Amino acid sequence: QIQLVQSGPEVKKPGESVKISCKASGYTFTQAGMQWLKQAQGKSLKWMGWINTNTGKTTYAADFTGRFVFSLETSASTAYLQITNLKNEDMATYFCARWDLDYWGQGVMVTVSS
Amino acid sequence: DVVMTQTPVSLSLAIGQPASISCKSSQSLLGTSGKTFLNWILQRPGQSPKRLIYQVSKLYSEVPDRFSGSGSETEFTLKISRVEAEDLGVYYCWQGTHFPLTFGSGTKLEIK
Repeated sequence: QIQLVQSGPEVKKPGESVKISCKASGYTFTQAGMQWLKQAQGKSLKWMGWINTNTGKTTYAADFTGRFVFSLETSASTAYLQITNLKNEDMATYFCARWDLDYWGQGVMVTVSS
Repeated sequence: DVVMTQTPVSLSLAIGQPASISCKSSQSLLGTSGKTFLNWILQRPGQSPKRLIYQVSKLYSEVPDRFSGSGSETEFTLKISRVEAEDLGVYYCWQGTHFPLTFGSGTKLEIK
């Protein structure tokens, strides 16, 4: 069965970096792009962008340029989201999901606190 | 960006009652392909979202047929014919016709 398994919760200080993983199984990794979404506590979902798992080409939403990087380790069927120079407003749960948002990871809660 | 407006904000229904959720978009979601990429997902408490409906009215295989979707252009509706306990959570509409993808603010379904 198709699964996206994300890494565990993170607690970071402002200014630090975090790298979240999303490991896919049950399908051919390169046949579906990977989307990244942010959900602040009690809020709706916000699309961050996506990575073409075949070519590695990335597309970022306007609010997620500069400090946010999507990457791949194709041999491990894994996608990554890295956030640098963490700010308080980055505190949220981050989800990976397949291109059609038909399968989702379980989410990674990132806490940013001094 | 396309703004997705969902109503109501919340619903409190007894088991067996029908439910209806509205989703309106700020521009037409009919794409150049002739398809309308309006979709619905359900996020149960403490869980990640789960797929429900794609392209307005197509149910994913595991979704019970008490769910249905309808609409066109800018106005869409999700209906549950008879609410069951497992249907509680927050329902979101989202559009994939125009980049960036955008989501409604959610409708919370509570069971009385």
